[in-house]
Amino acid sequence: EDQVTQSPEALRLQEGESSSLNCSYTVSGLRGLFWYRQDPGKGPEFLFTLYSAGEEKEKERLKATLTKKESFLHITAPKPEDSATYLCAVQASGGSYIPTFGRGTSLIVHP
Amino acid sequence: DVKVTQSSRYLVKRTGEKVFLECVQDMDHENMFWYRQDPGLGLRLIYFSYDVKMKEKGDIPEGYSVSREKKERFSLILESASTNQTSMYLCASNPGGLGSPLHFGNGTRLTVT
Repeated sequence: EDQVTQSPEALRLQEGESSSLNCSYTVSGLRGLFWYRQDPGKGPEFLFTLYSAGEEKEKERLKATLTKKESFLHITAPKPEDSATYLCAVQASGGSYIPTFGRGTSLIVHP
Repeated sequence: DVKVTQSSRYLVKRTGEKVFLECVQDMDHENMFWYRQDPGLGLRLIYFSYDVKMKEKGDIPEGYSVSREKKERFSLILESASTNQTSMYLCASNPGGLGSPLHFGNGTRLTVT
């Protein structure tokens, strides 16, 4: 059974204090790993797809990396507007295209 | 950009009512999904559809049904609403195939009293 575990559950940072969110996964064969951002009361917004170990993607202050067992979402010099819940999901190559989601990391950035 | 539109942002219904949640996507995507999201439980898949008139049960289909008569529209039906169906409901779509992310609507916050 595919599993996705995100840590920490919640993270509080000061503005400018860089940190990383973790997404550990167990799948039969990874087809894609997805990162989403979700603001309160809204649907998740797609950020990145990573396909293979060693791959990296960047968008503004966010950088996603991937190994064979986990992915990190690095946040460099965060701003209060980066406050959101970040969701990770994996899609296995075993046949089903249904992604398995983690429970998310709630990030709060204080000014 | 992909647009997934859910017809209502907020709904309040009474126990026992039949409830319809509507979702429309504008990118000709093959697959559409209905999730519910509750604090501490994350996203849970209710139903999905990979083609018109086709549907598959997800992890928690009990108390729900779905309808997909047209490719762009996917409806979630609560046959007889109960208070434990109070939740945020999220619709999503993707073009199909492995490696394609889901694109979500902004959700419907349903309260059943």
